[in-house]
Amino acid sequence: KAGVTQTPRYLIKTRGQQVTLSCSPISGHRSVSWYQQTPGQGLQFLFEYFSETQRNKGNFPGRFSGRQFSNSRSEMNVSTLELGDSALYLCASSTNRGGVNSPLHFGNGTRLTVT
Amino acid sequence: AQRVTQPEKLLSVFKGAPVELKCNYSYSGSPELFWYVQYSRQRLQLLLRHISRESIKGFTADLNKGETSFHLKKPFAQEEDSAMYYCALSGSSNTGKLIFGQGTTLQVKP
Repeated sequence: KAGVTQTPRYLIKTRGQQVTLSCSPISGHRSVSWYQQTPGQGLQFLFEYFSETQRNKGNFPGRFSGRQFSNSRSEMNVSTLELGDSALYLCASSTNRGGVNSPLHFGNGTRLTVT
Repeated sequence: AQRVTQPEKLLSVFKGAPVELKCNYSYSGSPELFWYVQYSRQRLQLLLRHISRESIKGFTADLNKGETSFHLKKPFAQEEDSAMYYCALSGSSNTGKLIFGQGTTLQVKP
């Protein structure tokens, strides 16, 4: 099986712009979660989508949004970019069978730099 | 508040020495605990989870609810164990939301 694929791998944007990141989960995985990784804050949960519905949300401002398509692929969008949004954005997919926490399978991430 | 604390940023040991990576958590309930590992130039991946009670690559971790700890142990470190290790907590089942610790870099010297 192909692993979790994130595109693009690198992005450079300027303050005020918006950006869209894409994630293709492992085939058969219906849950997609997004994390922000920075040296100062570590790995922080952004949100999770399951069957096209947002199931969980972290403590990030409304500028961060996401969606999931019927084929389980997911996108996250950040509007009005700030310098502090520079980070590695990780996507993870899982099967999440009922009642059991299935392992998260992570992608390689998208490195976003805001100048 | 839910929190995971890994007190050591870096742990350096010699090959063959015992290893213990510390993890303490704060959660008012029955959490599920995990250890994730990231080897150089590889993706973050699950190492083990407390509900499985298994040993992976010689590593074990026991959930101590009294001390709210989930330390990762290995009796004899190998050079290939060098990596970044993250302890993570889930407050409910069937979710992709994990609370991660800051991570500990394990360096195993020859």
